[in-house]
Amino acid sequence: NAGVMQNPRHLVRRRGQEARLRCSPMKGHSHVYWYRQLPEEGLKFMVYLQKENIIDESGMPKERFSAEFPKEGPSILRIQQVVRGDSAAYFCASSLDLNEQFFGPGTRLTVL
Amino acid sequence: KQEVTQIPAALSVPEGENLVLNCSFTDSAIYNLQWFRQDPGKGLTSLLLIQSSQREQTSGRLNASLDKSSGRSTLYIAASQPGDSATYLCAVRRIQGAQKLVFGQGTRLTINP
Repeated sequence: NAGVMQNPRHLVRRRGQEARLRCSPMKGHSHVYWYRQLPEEGLKFMVYLQKENIIDESGMPKERFSAEFPKEGPSILRIQQVVRGDSAAYFCASSLDLNEQFFGPGTRLTVL
Repeated sequence: KQEVTQIPAALSVPEGENLVLNCSFTDSAIYNLQWFRQDPGKGLTSLLLIQSSQREQTSGRLNASLDKSSGRSTLYIAASQPGDSATYLCAVRRIQGAQKLVFGQGTRLTINP
């Protein structure tokens, strides 16, 4: 059973561009979470999704950030008009139920 | 608001020693607590999950304990090895409301050969 897959692993964008981060949960997992790790800071929750539904987006910045988990395909975290402060590692996790979360390798976003 | 603190922030010990990492949380109403390991530039590897009704969990040389009433958990590593060098994170999940994990800042562990 493959683990949580994230791509790309590294992403470089210029200020003002859009960043799309993809996450494929473990097989059979219907719960997906996104976390962000800013340089020298701990991991912070962003959003929790189930198929086709956003359950909790309390950690998402109000502007420029959006997330989806469609019926088919991976979960997408989208950042519009990126700024230098968006540079961070973005981690996706999935769970089968409401217990153990399994994390992907992360996408490291660099904004020039 | 749940806050998670890990002490010490960094720890360096010689190979072979037994060691304890500490995690404390401010709100004892938790659903579970999870310990992770993070290697530089890599993702998180789940080490142990303790449900709120449990006192401890063991996996190989690792033992995690939970004292919910005092808001504390410890991760015990026996016979440490250089390969144990990593950052160790603890995270708690609340009983109600969001299913998010609240993380501590981590303990950066170095095992010296």
